[in-house]
Amino acid sequence: DTGVSQDPRHKITKRGQNVTFRCDPISEHNRLYWYRQTLGQGPEFLTYFQNEAQLEKSRLLSDRFSAERPKGSFSTLEIQRTEQGDSAMYLCASSFGRGGNTIYFGEGSWLTVV
Amino acid sequence: AQKVTQAQTEISVVEKEDVTLDCVYETRDTTYYLFWYKQPPSGELVFLIRRNSFDEQNEISGRYSWNFQKSTSSFNFTITASQVVDSAVYFCALSETYSGGGADGLTFGKGTHLIIQP
Repeated sequence: DTGVSQDPRHKITKRGQNVTFRCDPISEHNRLYWYRQTLGQGPEFLTYFQNEAQLEKSRLLSDRFSAERPKGSFSTLEIQRTEQGDSAMYLCASSFGRGGNTIYFGEGSWLTVV
Repeated sequence: AQKVTQAQTEISVVEKEDVTLDCVYETRDTTYYLFWYKQPPSGELVFLIRRNSFDEQNEISGRYSWNFQKSTSSFNFTITASQVVDSAVYFCALSETYSGGGADGLTFGKGTHLIIQP
């Protein structure tokens, strides 16, 4: 499978715990995006990388959230001290080239904070 | 700022009927891209089409067709002879290229839940 892959697909955690999601983009794609989607809503942009550089962060990305993309390959999204409001699906996506090119999404990582 | 509106929250039709999903967008850029994605219950967003702001030709792909009208800022999606497998949530999205502030990402509408009844 050469699409965007995410791990884990589902995560249940207790409030206050830290969680980390991993994303492996399509191999030749230089851009990687993270989105968050809650029930009944469209995905909302969180952040994106061009190669290893994090170029943009949404105001939705509080300081409890951190994303990395070492070596411009896979990316991780960590949420520290999780809150119930963090329960959502976290979608990773990738694209090649510059803005406006097609962005391909993974299957998402569902987070439930209890 | 950019905005995408999908006024239809849910549409239910009987199989083989034609159905149109509406999308209206707002942008101050002259160069932008419009997309449609399908999200089945599994959660993955499946890319359907990309259209740039300079190409107003309508497009047909099998049972799917798209009508882009800059004059009304609309990019509507029609499924002809709908099938049960078309049941999903459909999202319209906008990407601006020059306005900055996460512009290289997508701004999504809230989606239309399409239910095709057998």
